[in-house]
Amino acid sequence: AIQMTQSPSSLSASVGDRVTITCRASQGIGNDLGWYQQRPGKTPKLLIYAASSLQSGVPSRFSGSGSGTDFTLTISSLQPEDFATYYCLQDYSFPRTFGQGTKVEIK
Amino acid sequence: EVQLVESGGGLVQFGGSLRLSCAASGFTFSNNEMNWVRQAPGEGLEWVSYISGSGRIINYADSVKGRFTISRDNAKNSLYLQMNSLRAEDTAVYYCARESDLDAFDMWGQGTMVTVSS
Repeated sequence: AIQMTQSPSSLSASVGDRVTITCRASQGIGNDLGWYQQRPGKTPKLLIYAASSLQSGVPSRFSGSGSGTDFTLTISSLQPEDFATYYCLQDYSFPRTFGQGTKVEIK
Repeated sequence: EVQLVESGGGLVQFGGSLRLSCAASGFTFSNNEMNWVRQAPGEGLEWVSYISGSGRIINYADSVKGRFTISRDNAKNSLYLQMNSLRAEDTAVYYCARESDLDAFDMWGQGTMVTVSS
């Protein structure tokens, strides 16, 4: 199974900060990666698909990049509603695998 | 309204069985691949199972293979997960998730809680 390693596992940031989360795959997955946001007590929400495509309705401050084994989710200017846990998911092969999550907390 | 609604969760004893359902509405269900994803209390997301639109292609996580069975009824716009031989580590919120044409999970249900007691 492909292992997805996210870093950091948590971070503290202030409103307006630029935040970067990385996800590394144990083998190449092309651009078959999505990023998901889960606010506390809520359902996961798709932010980015195919590594860099913004899901409809998602604010443009979210962006994704990368291919192969290394991927990045960037929030250009953190907003109060962005405090949440973020997960990457590889959809290159089965079994599908999530990263362990990155919790973004208020500094 | 486009939505997924799970049901069937509850408290079950170790070794017992449970059948989860996911009712889809607002889109052409048979056109979409579907998945089950679970989340243990305080933990991250874990993919559980996949089924193609026709139901002919199925995949499972190793942790549930041989115990769980995914199925769908396109005439009823419904997805199912039959869970047998349940263990404490199966305790989680179970979500159904729609897979888009580009394999992203673009719609999720609200989840249903499964608790396995010993």
